[in-house]
Amino acid sequence: EPEVTQTPSHQVTQMGQEVILRCVPISNHLYFYWYRQILGQKVEFLVSFYNNEISEKSEIFDDQFSVERPDGSNFTLKIRSTKLEDSAMYFCASNRGREEKLFFGSGTQLSVL
Amino acid sequence: AQSVTQPDIHITVSEGASLELRCNYSYGATPYLFWYVQSPGQGLQLLLKYFSGDTLVQGIKGFEAEFKRSQSSFNLRKPSVHWSDAAEYFCAVGINTGTASKLTFGTGTRLQVTL
Repeated sequence: EPEVTQTPSHQVTQMGQEVILRCVPISNHLYFYWYRQILGQKVEFLVSFYNNEISEKSEIFDDQFSVERPDGSNFTLKIRSTKLEDSAMYFCASNRGREEKLFFGSGTQLSVL
Repeated sequence: AQSVTQPDIHITVSEGASLELRCNYSYGATPYLFWYVQSPGQGLQLLLKYFSGDTLVQGIKGFEAEFKRSQSSFNLRKPSVHWSDAAEYFCAVGINTGTASKLTFGTGTRLQVTL
């Protein structure tokens, strides 16, 4: 089965630093998403991306966050100035259509010190 | 706004025993409902989904779930649990916003299987 690939699997950063989390969605998918899961809490929707623009974002996704599809294969989440509370597992996901199965990557564990 | 409740944080069953994980949702329209499983260090894998039609849905790994509109429930079942089923299970409700499929997850149920 095709996979969504995320790198790195674990990233440690200092508070205030910028981080970029990388994802390679499945090649023929059109919709891309970021979710996050703070330890012990539920998985939360952050943002969706379609046709080279953000289609929906949650209240968590403030000005510190941005997403980009810099080329035909990568989909990135940037956190401009990390805070301690940004520590979480970040999941990338993609699907071919809005009602199609959502494929998740294995996640990037972000630790902000 | 939609929400999902998984009342059981942690469940332990013996291998070979039957399993039922509870999920209740709140959503104003007909929901899209999902069950995902997350093994340690792994991503979220879709077990099954309900969009419409037959309210008893079959999934992978021998799992099934039944949509009961009157109870706003979508409980996950398996007749005989295997040790490899030990994982975290998430119920989710999905809505199509017009430009995305957005999932709202429950807090998860951790399944432990004893031998």
